Amino acid sequence: KAGVTQTPRYLIKTRGQQVTLSCSPISGHRSVSWYQQTPGQGLQFLFEYFSETQRNKGNFPGRFSGRQFSNSRSEMNVSTLELGDSALYLCASSLEGGNNYGYTFGSGTRLTVV
Amino acid sequence: TQLLEQSPQFLSIQEGENLTVYCNSSSVFSSLQWYRQEPGEGPVLLVTVVTGGEVKKLKRLTFQFGDARKDSSLHITAAQPGDTGLYLCAGPTNSGYALNFGKGTSLLVTP
Repeated sequence: KAGVTQTPRYLIKTRGQQVTLSCSPISGHRSVSWYQQTPGQGLQFLFEYFSETQRNKGNFPGRFSGRQFSNSRSEMNVSTLELGDSALYLCASSLEGGNNYGYTFGSGTRLTVV
Repeated sequence: TQLLEQSPQFLSIQEGENLTVYCNSSSVFSSLQWYRQEPGEGPVLLVTVVTGGEVKKLKRLTFQFGDARKDSSLHITAAQPGDTGLYLCAGPTNSGYALNFGKGTSLLVTP
């Protein structure tokens, strides 16, 4: 079966712009989580969606937002980009939540802010 | 936030050597997971440990969950270059719906 698909794989944006990243989970998975990965901070949790509802949110500013559609596909948006937003953004899907069944991750979107 | 501390941060060994990496916390976890991440890819789930004292084996990898469910270890026997990667441990958030990750142990196995 198809894995978790993230698009685009690479993105270069200018400071102040906004960006939208997309994630298509494994078929049948209703939980989608987003993480930011940087060399200094590791994987930091952004938010988790289940059946179009945000159930859990990490400690990120309001510039970071997300949503989930009825087909479980998810998007995350970052507005007013800062240089520090440069990172690998990872999407992970699971049946009902990563704690019970573990995550399947996508390959990520590498965002560079210049 | 339930913090997970991983050690060592970096490890460079020769093929054939044994190694152990650790994941520690001051909090009790209902379960812990281990992932391996290769450069340019997302992490891949290796194992989930649930019961205190549990030991699970995956070929040359042995995972142990501490009796008090506050720590876990990963032991690799006769490491191979294919074992190279970032090893991450993860535990449930307080809400139970997501996972918090440690910063990982970066392992390099040279021939």
